[in-house]
Amino acid sequence: GAVVSQHPSRVICKSGTSVKIECRSLDFQATTMFWYRQFPKQSLMLMATSNEGSKATYEQGVEKDKFLINHASLTLSTLTVTSAHPEDSSFYICSARDSQGPGLEQYFGPGTRLTVT
Amino acid sequence: AQSVTQLGSHVSVSEGALVLLRCNYSSSVPPYLFWYVQYPNQGLQLLLKYTTGATLVKGINGFEAEFKKSETSFHLTKPSAHMSDAAEYFCAVRPSTGTASKLTFGTGTRLQVTL
Repeated sequence: GAVVSQHPSRVICKSGTSVKIECRSLDFQATTMFWYRQFPKQSLMLMATSNEGSKATYEQGVEKDKFLINHASLTLSTLTVTSAHPEDSSFYICSARDSQGPGLEQYFGPGTRLTVT
Repeated sequence: AQSVTQLGSHVSVSEGALVLLRCNYSSSVPPYLFWYVQYPNQGLQLLLKYTTGATLVKGINGFEAEFKKSETSFHLTKPSAHMSDAAEYFCAVRPSTGTASKLTFGTGTRLQVTL
C-alpha cells in the first residue's frame, strides 16, 4: 500500500527557533498534500493545502508567515514553523493525495510531535 | 458545506461484544465517507470508505459500515471487539465532486475494550 513518511517523528526546540518537518510520499506521486494539526484528545484541524509547484492554500485563522509550506516536488512537502512558541507545541500530521489513483485516495503520515520549550 | 458528528466521545465495550460507533454527516453534494483509526502517537489508518455502489462496506480488522442516505449516517460496527481495537476512531466526509475537495473530520470516538 501507499506510504507517507514524516521526519522527524519528534522534535524539541527552544522558543524563537524554527523547525522544519518533511512529508514524503514514498511510492506514489502527490500533487496535493495536506497539513493538519492535532491537539491532545481532539480531532485533526486542516491547516493548509499544499499544491506542487504553487503556493499553499491556508485555512482561515492559520498564519501563513508562521507556518511556511513548500511543495517543490511531487513527493515532498515541507512545513516550517518559524519563530516557534510554546503554544505551537502540537502533533502535526501530513497527508498526501494519490494524484494517479482512481479515487484520489488520501494517505496519512505517522505524525510529528513538536514540543517548544 | 459539510460536517460530521460523532455521537459519544468515549465508548467502552467488553472484549467479544459488539462495537458500534456512530457517525452522522451533512453534505451539500453526494459524499464520500471514511472511517480512520488512530493509535497513540501515530497517524491515521484508513479502515474503510464509501464512494459509490454497495452501501455496506467492509474494511480491515473485521469492521464494516453502512451508508444510509435517508438517515445521513455512516455508523461503524464490528461484531466482536478485540483488545487491539482500543484506539481513537474518526469519521470523515469529503464531497464526491471536485478534485480540490477536502476531508472534514468528526471529533473522534475513543474506544475502550475491557476484559
